[in-house]
Amino acid sequence: AQKITQTQPGMFVQEKEAVTLDCTYDTSDPSYGLFWYKQPSSGEMIFLIYQGSYDQQNATEGRYSLNFQKARKSANLVISASQLGDSAMYFCAMREGRENQGGKLIFGQGTELSVKP
Amino acid sequence: SQTIHQWPATLVQPVGSPLSLECTVEGTSNPNLYWYRQAAGRGLQLLFYSVGIGQISSEVPQNLSASRPQDRQFILSSKKLLLSDSGFYLCAWSRTGVHQPQHFGDGTRLSIL
Repeated sequence: AQKITQTQPGMFVQEKEAVTLDCTYDTSDPSYGLFWYKQPSSGEMIFLIYQGSYDQQNATEGRYSLNFQKARKSANLVISASQLGDSAMYFCAMREGRENQGGKLIFGQGTELSVKP
Repeated sequence: SQTIHQWPATLVQPVGSPLSLECTVEGTSNPNLYWYRQAAGRGLQLLFYSVGIGQISSEVPQNLSASRPQDRQFILSSKKLLLSDSGFYLCAWSRTGVHQPQHFGDGTRLSIL
């Protein structure tokens, strides 16, 4: 079963507008972490933001915020004031608490974001 | 600060040839290490991970292997490459802990001819 689902293969947003990238997850582990990564066309994976399962508040990092709805098992990424440089592939990922599995990340299939001038 | 180095950046190899991709981490000790493969336009597939020297866990059966001869060195190998081994290979490291992100190298684009 898919543990991380990103239902939007591609998204368009106008420059300076906000955009929400969807991510739902599935786990029975009470302790887990949720991460978002950005992959520009050059290929490197850039860590953007983290949300812990026990965190009471939504994570924020500059223009990035995470809309964490635990009961719905969703962890959507919100990018405010989009810039042309935000055009990239975005991946949602989950790390479960069982470190005997090496702390591996489970990735979604990604959402390709295109920012229009 | 911690850095991760991965090389080469690009590699073109004939079918049936061997492969060795190397990844090293600086600025931390006893990291968890990971090898991923990414097909064009697709998500990341975890190939191997390691929690310590000589400890390798394989996620997907294939003709690739991994080794960790030193604490901060992770090597991806193959004795005979297949066409299906083409892709973008990424190495990553992390600390232990559910809140720890993985940090990635710049990747190797491997083309098999």
